[in-house]
Amino acid sequence: DIQMTQSPSSLSASVGDRVTITCQASQDISNYLNWYQQKPGKAPNLLIYEASNLQTGVPSRFSGSGSGTDFTFTISSLQPEDIATYYCQQYDNLPITFGQGTRLEIK
Amino acid sequence: EVQLVESGEGLVQPGGSLRLSCAASGFSFSVYSMNWVRQAPGKGLEWLSYISGRSTTIFYADSVKGRFTISRDNAKNSLFLQMNSLRAEDTAMYYCARDLSSGYPNWFDPWGQGTLVTVSS
Repeated sequence: DIQMTQSPSSLSASVGDRVTITCQASQDISNYLNWYQQKPGKAPNLLIYEASNLQTGVPSRFSGSGSGTDFTFTISSLQPEDIATYYCQQYDNLPITFGQGTRLEIK
Repeated sequence: EVQLVESGEGLVQPGGSLRLSCAASGFSFSVYSMNWVRQAPGKGLEWLSYISGRSTTIFYADSVKGRFTISRDNAKNSLFLQMNSLRAEDTAMYYCARDLSSGYPNWFDPWGQGTLVTVSS
């Protein structure tokens, strides 16, 4: 199975801050990587697909980049409504696997 | 509005069975592949199974292969997960999710609100 490792596991930032989360795959997955946001008590929501494509309706402050084994997810200016846990997900090989999640809090 | 609504929540004893359903609306259900994903309490996401639009392609995670069966009824816009030989470690919130691909799991959007399965004696 492809292991997805997110860093950090949790982080605290202030409104307006630029926030970056990384996701590392245990092998080359090309750009077959997605990012999801899960707010407390809610289902996950797709933000970024194919590493860098913004899903329709998602605010432009969210972005993604990377290929191969190293990927980055960025919030350009943190908003209070962005408090959530963020997951990366690979779909290069079965089984589909997710990172362990990054919990984002407001400082 | 595209919507997925899971049902079938329950408390079941170890070794027991449960059938989850996912009712789809707002899109052409038969055109889309579907997935089941679960989340144990306080834990991360675990993909379980995929089924293509016409049920010709099905995949399972090793953790549920041989115990869980995914199926769909396109006439009723419904997805199912039959869960047998349930174990304590199957306790989780179970989500159905539409797959924006054809023939292979890719990215999931949207997800249902989830239905809770508790396996305990």
